[in-house]
Amino acid sequence: QSVLTQPPSVSAAPGQRVTISCSGSRSNIGGNSVSWYQQLPRTAPKLLIYDNDDRPSGIPDRFSGSKSGTSATLVITGLQTGDEADYYCATWDSSLDGGVFGGGTKLTVL
Amino acid sequence: EVQLVESGGGLVKPGGSLRLSCSTSGLTLSNYNMNWIRQAPGKGLEWVSTISSSSSYMYYADSVKGRFTISRDNAKKSLYLQMNSLRVEDTAVYYCTTTRPGLGDYLHWGQGTLATVSS
Repeated sequence: QSVLTQPPSVSAAPGQRVTISCSGSRSNIGGNSVSWYQQLPRTAPKLLIYDNDDRPSGIPDRFSGSKSGTSATLVITGLQTGDEADYYCATWDSSLDGGVFGGGTKLTVL
Repeated sequence: EVQLVESGGGLVKPGGSLRLSCSTSGLTLSNYNMNWIRQAPGKGLEWVSTISSSSSYMYYADSVKGRFTISRDNAKKSLYLQMNSLRVEDTAVYYCTTTRPGLGDYLHWGQGTLATVSS
């Protein structure tokens, strides 16, 4: 059971928009920055979003993040087949004194 | 180009030990906190441990506390994870990652090293 809650799977057609939610509590999302990661099959995860809504250089603006209260959201627009991957949210938990991840969301581009 | 290369994984019996290493290049290691994150076969990501840039602070997941020890050598540009009293449930790919202080993100990732605990 993950500390952060994500939907197990989402799907949408190419060109469409999809949102992935990440729900936590005051001790984690509510008080710390959220980051998002993309893990393509058989590869290491890659940072997509940091500090709730910032993109590292090289990440297209089709990927965006936001945070409100104890929840965060990743939005992907203009879906491409190459976006099929697992997506994870992460943050620090000040009560646990440790990092926490969501359980991951598998994105299928139909 | 930043590179993180993990090594030291392998097959070990329950109760045994492994020492993972992460060799880095292309970055000033002392500018980053460092972490180990693992992924059991077919499962999600699990944070294991974090060490601050100057080794002043170390943090561990409850699942490994008292059994694993994180350390670093900034001069050798390396990160380590000593894993003792290994259990079957420690079987996973272990990733070495960097974190920018104050941001909490896992910016750079290695390719991972597989540790298998089995009798």
